Amino acid sequence: AQSVTQPDIHITVSEGASLELRCNYSYGATPYLFWYVQSPGQGLQLLLKYFSGDTLVQGIKGFEAEFKRSQSSFNLRKPSVHWSDAAEYFCAVVISNFGNEKLTFGTGTRLTIIP
Amino acid sequence: KAGVTQTPRYLIKTRGQQVTLSCSPISGHRSVSWYQQTPGQGLQFLFEYFSETQRNKGNFPGRFSGRQFSNSRSEMNVSTLELGDSALYLCASRSQGYTGELFFGEGSRLTVL
Repeated sequence: AQSVTQPDIHITVSEGASLELRCNYSYGATPYLFWYVQSPGQGLQLLLKYFSGDTLVQGIKGFEAEFKRSQSSFNLRKPSVHWSDAAEYFCAVVISNFGNEKLTFGTGTRLTIIP
Repeated sequence: KAGVTQTPRYLIKTRGQQVTLSCSPISGHRSVSWYQQTPGQGLQFLFEYFSETQRNKGNFPGRFSGRQFSNSRSEMNVSTLELGDSALYLCASRSQGYTGELFFGEGSRLTVL
């Protein structure tokens, strides 16, 4: 079945350290891929998206993601995290099923930042 | 430009009751989607409406229904509430097809006692 997987439920990093959040998808064709962030008590905000072209995508708040077709991955990275990056991060993919397309989310990775 | 507005933000109901949640999309957006978010199941797609027509539907029982009005505002209804319906219900709107960004509201948190 077509799906998106975030293997890490919870990640803790020190402020100023680098970050990589993993996302893997299972889909026959090249999917549309997204990363969203949800701060406590808030809705979701789009960080970045990939449809085609350059496999390294730049987003807001200093985030970037790299699409790797051979690994079916779309990992999110940030060189140096800030305390305000503490949130839950969701990878998402548009999946087409007999012409019906919907945005399907991974289970999320909760990011904790320690001083 | 005002964002996606959801009302009410918090509500408490008892089992067996029904609830209606409202969503006002960003002006000009014709597509409205609804998601249920719970700690155990994560974000689950409920349905999407476009120009007053349900375009797509997730795997939820018939107790969950929705509609969209001519001004693109949307409502979702849950009848015969169960304890497991306690969740954050998120509404999102977009202006174009699936390459477009989804803009989310802050959600309606439903507690069923």
